[in-house]
Amino acid sequence: SQQGEEDPQALSIQEGENATMNCSYKTSINNLQWYRQNSGRGLVHLILIRSNEREKHSGRLRVTLDTSKKSSSLLITASRAADTASYFCATDRGSGTYKYIFGTGTRLKVLA
Amino acid sequence: EAGVAQSPRYKIIEKRQSVAFWCNPISGHATLYWYQQILGQGPKLLIQFQNNGVVDDSQLPKDRFSAERLKGVDSTLKIQPAKLEDSAVYLCATQLTSGSASSYEQYFGPGTRLTVT
Repeated sequence: SQQGEEDPQALSIQEGENATMNCSYKTSINNLQWYRQNSGRGLVHLILIRSNEREKHSGRLRVTLDTSKKSSSLLITASRAADTASYFCATDRGSGTYKYIFGTGTRLKVLA
Repeated sequence: EAGVAQSPRYKIIEKRQSVAFWCNPISGHATLYWYQQILGQGPKLLIQFQNNGVVDDSQLPKDRFSAERLKGVDSTLKIQPAKLEDSAVYLCATQLTSGSASSYEQYFGPGTRLTVT
């Protein structure tokens, strides 16, 4: 079963605009990660936020986590055509088994 | 650092045939995962190895799927016999989960796209 649900399922924006995608999950977590998947390729790790953190930045990425609402958001600022990809959140319940459950993904298209 | 290698990249088979996928992890990565990703969905964990032992295979359809990780390095995933619904991308991912440099980050291979006709 999939733990995370991303929304929107698809997002189309103009280059230079910001893109926000959200992830909701069902059970308590130890950490939440965001991955990017370009068409026809494997996933690439973007950023990890731990359950005791509320916000994290990495370059043009900003991730927030609200454990009370069991949700996270990923913001990509000043988007580029190269950001066109699918974005997935993955949650780890911290049981020590390093087991991850991926969400359904948001397909982002950045128009040049 | 070399990435996770997978082969073949593409495979087309008829239903009821068998197929095998191979994964070579990043050197030193003790944890290895096989995921199934159906078009338009997120990756679904099939099996997780820690070294050469199985940690979790609860979502592996054991009547047709099998996997092994001999010597705790390379891994193979086999489907026998294949069904139409097995058409998907099979992703291998590895993770450094031992030692002081252990990390939660998973490194994914490019995947094998399987089409069952």
